[in-house]
Amino acid sequence: GQNIDQPTEMTATEGAIVQINCTYQTSGFNGLFWYQQHAGEAPTFLSYNVLDGLEEKGRFSSFLSRSKGYSYLLLKELQMKDSASYLCASLDSNYQLIWGAGTKLIIKP
Amino acid sequence: NAGVTQTPKFRVLKTGQSMTLLCAQDMNHEYMYWYRQDPGMGLRLIHYSVGEGTTAKGEVPDGYNVSRLKKQNFLLGLESAAPSQTSVYFCASTPGRGDQETQYFGPGTRLLVL
Repeated sequence: GQNIDQPTEMTATEGAIVQINCTYQTSGFNGLFWYQQHAGEAPTFLSYNVLDGLEEKGRFSSFLSRSKGYSYLLLKELQMKDSASYLCASLDSNYQLIWGAGTKLIIKP
Repeated sequence: NAGVTQTPKFRVLKTGQSMTLLCAQDMNHEYMYWYRQDPGMGLRLIHYSVGEGTTAKGEVPDGYNVSRLKKQNFLLGLESAAPSQTSVYFCASTPGRGDQETQYFGPGTRLLVL
């Protein structure tokens, strides 16, 4: 079956660094997406990885290891506005997105 | 550009009632999707469309029907609502095949079925 696993909730301190992990098992693989979703709002795109390695985009970076079926999202210099859910999604062989349940990130002052 | 819009934003239905959710996009996107999002679960694909006049079933299509008569609109219908269909419904679109393209989401429709 297809499965995306990520932690349910994480807590971090303002100004710190946090890493949100995601493991995936999908039928075929055409890339890994990370989305941010604030409470009561729609998901918004953060990053896309299709090759192994680290992609850096400002305070946010995303890493992919296809051989391990593993990705992480790294958030640096955390700000209170980063409090949100972070959704991991794998694009399968049919180009359908398979979504994880999301990781709720709580930022404390 | 308004992007992706959804109507209504919130609705309460009684079991057995019917309703249609409307999704509209002004970005000339080919692909459109309907998802539902429930607490503790990932977004689940209900139906999708790869172009005007075409629709296909997703992961959880039962109890729903869709139509894409115009490229910019994707309608989701509930013929006989059930409490299990209480959820937040998101519409999304992508420009083309979607292999490397991000999905643009509408603001969501919160549906409560009593």
